[in-house]
Parts: sequence; C-alpha cells; structure tokens
Amino acid sequence: QSALTQVASMSGSPGQSITISCTGASNDIGSYNLVSWYQQHPGKVPKLLIYEVNKRPSGVSDRFSGSKSGNTASLTISGLQAEDEADYYCCSYAPVSTLIFGAGTKVTVL
Amino acid sequence: EVLLVESGGGSIQPGGSLRLSCVVSGVTIDEYAMHWVRQAPGKGLEWVSGISFNSVTIGYADSVKGRFTISRDNAESSLYLQMDSLRPEDTALYYCAKDARLLQIGGGFDSWGQGTLVTVSS
Repeated sequence: QSALTQVASMSGSPGQSITISCTGASNDIGSYNLVSWYQQHPGKVPKLLIYEVNKRPSGVSDRFSGSKSGNTASLTISGLQAEDEADYYCCSYAPVSTLIFGAGTKVTVL
Repeated sequence: EVLLVESGGGSIQPGGSLRLSCVVSGVTIDEYAMHWVRQAPGKGLEWVSGISFNSVTIGYADSVKGRFTISRDNAESSLYLQMDSLRPEDTALYYCAKDARLLQIGGGFDSWGQGTLVTVSS
C-alpha cells in the first residue's frame, strides 16, 4: 500500500485555475472509478469535495471538478479564491477493500 | 444533520491497548460502510480501516493489520476500533467517517467526526 503521489505544494493568484494531480497505480486509480478529494483547512475536519472521480456532494461549489485518466486523477479549482487556501488530499479504493490517500497538496493563494 | 462523535482516545504506553468508539446520529448507518481515518500531528491523512454495512467486508491498512480490529453495532449506531500492541507511530487524531456510497466500501468519506486523540509514549 504505497501512498498516492501528489505534488507537495501549488500556488495561484485569485481568479486563476489550478489543477492538482494524484498519481497511483493500475490496481488502484487505474482500476476503479472510486477516487475522492478532500479539502482541509488548518485545525479543521476534512471536507469531501469530489467522490467517484467527478461527482460533487450537495453544497460543494461547482468551482471544484474532478477527472481521471489512466492511473492519474485530477482536481481542478477554477476561479481561485482566498478561502481555497488549504491542504487537498486525494483518495482511491484499492485491493482488497482498502483505501489509500495521497500525501496531500498545500495550496497557497497569492 | 449527520453527527459523528468519537471517544476513547488518551495517552497510553507502547504495547498497550485502547478501544475507540464512534456514535452516529442523523442517519441510519446500517446502509453505509464506516471507516477510521487518522492524522498524525502535522502529517497527512491515513486510512486505517473500513467495514461494510453488514460487517461482511473488512479492510485494514498494512500499518495496523494484525493489531487493530474494527467492528460495528448497527442497532446502537456505533463503530468501534480495538487497538492492541500500540506503537509510538500510532500517535494521531483518529477520525470516524461515513462512506458516501450506499451499501459498499469506497465511495469516499462524506461525514466526519471531530476526532479523538491517541498518544502512544513511554
């Protein structure tokens, strides 16, 4: 069970779009459409942003979108806002009945 | 509103045991898988264990396999984690989380508790 690979940090200016990548393997991200993404502000509980690759829970801004290609999943934040400054984690289902997180990406809004 | 409340954390010496509990309200958990996710101080999220709605399917992270046991009591809307042979590296905030997917494991975690802190140190 190796952690999914995420870049440690990214930054963008308000209004810009950024895309966070999450690379796994053929037997996790590559095999299942069960990728989810979470936002975590310092000292706060993680919040589900995307589930099953590209579905948004009720109440989550449509500025957040998810996609997948091969063994890599992506989270795009459009129209970056100051409140988007947080840590972002991807997670994938993996054999057998396990889940695995990425190491997290710290997003800074310049 | 879905509410998850964990309890049972504390300070324990290496080799000791703790049992975490999570009580869920606002949703009927007998249709959802449930999970434990932990976060060491200043570190990222780590999935620890998950259990299907009917307790038939159970999974563990390699880091806890053979030491931790997950269970649930749907009648009590409760989730448990028995942690044995604790190590310093198990020190973390332990979150209880509800699966977003009906009946099956893997849909993501759509509701989280506030966490209970476990500290393993001599």
